[in-house]
Amino acid sequence: SQQGEEDPQALSIQEGENATMNCSYKTSINNLQWYRQNSGRGLVHLILIRSNEREKHSGRLRVTLDTSKKSSSLLITASRAADTASYFCAPASAGNMLTFGGGTRLMVKP
Amino acid sequence: EAQVTQNPRYLITVTGKKLTVTCSQNMNHEYMSWYRQDPGLGLRQIYYSMNVEVTDKGDVPEGYKVSRKEKRNFPLILESPSPNQTSLYFCASSSGLAIYEQYFGPGTRLTVT
Repeated sequence: SQQGEEDPQALSIQEGENATMNCSYKTSINNLQWYRQNSGRGLVHLILIRSNEREKHSGRLRVTLDTSKKSSSLLITASRAADTASYFCAPASAGNMLTFGGGTRLMVKP
Repeated sequence: EAQVTQNPRYLITVTGKKLTVTCSQNMNHEYMSWYRQDPGLGLRQIYYSMNVEVTDKGDVPEGYKVSRKEKRNFPLILESPSPNQTSLYFCASSSGLAIYEQYFGPGTRLTVT
């Protein structure tokens, strides 16, 4: 199994701004998943993008995947204070365990 | 409502006193796992189970035991807890291994003094 590496480790923005987080991984994948964790709570699945997809949207979330660069990005548009959380990417390969990196800590200031 | 539950949510105990953290899911998932989360170290997998009576070690299994006697339950057992097991623990379940979405429990904050 492999874990993704999120970048930056921490991000602080004003409410209404967009937040972009990046994820890099090392080996081929079936899909890549993004999760959110509010402080001290369990991770919540946000979005899954398959290896044959390049972009996916869900509400204010936009995820891109570039398998040639082994990277993904998560864009949160028009951020809100409630988006304050840690965000994790999880590159997924069939038959392997899902593992998580250290995440990006996003702070959205009102 | 589809969910993963853990009990207790908070626990303070002393070194050496055996404890069990329960985990239950109501989604008929085959795959369940336990993670611990520590500052600066991210989420690390302790044990996982691909089905009843099938368990395997994750990245940090030392000091922990698990059992999977029923599909819905996957308790985490600390036979002789030590202070370095103070951590935030999460149980998770999914329909299968990595390519499926995982559902996480609310977490158990354990302090071992």
